[in-house]
Amino acid sequence: GQGVEQPDNLMSVEGTFARVNCTYSTSGFNGLSWYQQREGHAPVFLSYVVLDGLKDSGHFSTFLSRSNGYSYLLLTELQIKDSASYLCAVRVNYAQGLTFGLGTRVSVFP
Amino acid sequence: GPKVLQIPSHQIIDMGQMVTLNCDPVSNHLYFYWYKQILGQQMEFLVNFYNGKVMEKSKLFKDQFSVERPDGSYFTLKIQPTALEDSAVYFCASSLDWGDEQYFGPGTRLTVL
Repeated sequence: GQGVEQPDNLMSVEGTFARVNCTYSTSGFNGLSWYQQREGHAPVFLSYVVLDGLKDSGHFSTFLSRSNGYSYLLLTELQIKDSASYLCAVRVNYAQGLTFGLGTRVSVFP
Repeated sequence: GPKVLQIPSHQIIDMGQMVTLNCDPVSNHLYFYWYKQILGQQMEFLVNFYNGKVMEKSKLFKDQFSVERPDGSYFTLKIQPTALEDSAVYFCASSLDWGDEQYFGPGTRLTVL
């Protein structure tokens, strides 16, 4: 079956970094998206990757390895306000909706 | 950034009744989606919609579900009749094109009693 897996929780310290891992096993692959979601709010789009390698977007970077079915979201210079859930979502085929993971709750402490 | 609105934010309804969830997508977007999230589970794709037609639907999109966007107004999800297992948060999303990022609304929490 299709599956997107993420760790449930991740704790880190303000000013350091956090890496949110995502592994997927799907019948097809047409890109992977990362979203940030706060309780009771809309998921906010962060990044979309479809080619292998690292994509740097300033405060965060995303990495993809299609052969390993693996991606990560790297948050650098963490701030308290980065505390949120981060969702990984795979587009299995071009016209289909996204297949989401459960999300990783990142908690940033002073 | 672009915003998707959803009305209402919460809805409580008795089993067997009809409910309509409303979505106001980003104004120039052409592709629309509904997702369902049961408490403690991941968000799951229900249906996508373009040019007045359902393009693809998942096995979660039961016969009791229907979607429409009459005359460019709200994109709606109607459930008739509702069942207990329909209790969930329903998220609407829109995108400019098929491959573009999807922008999500804040969700409507539906409770079926």
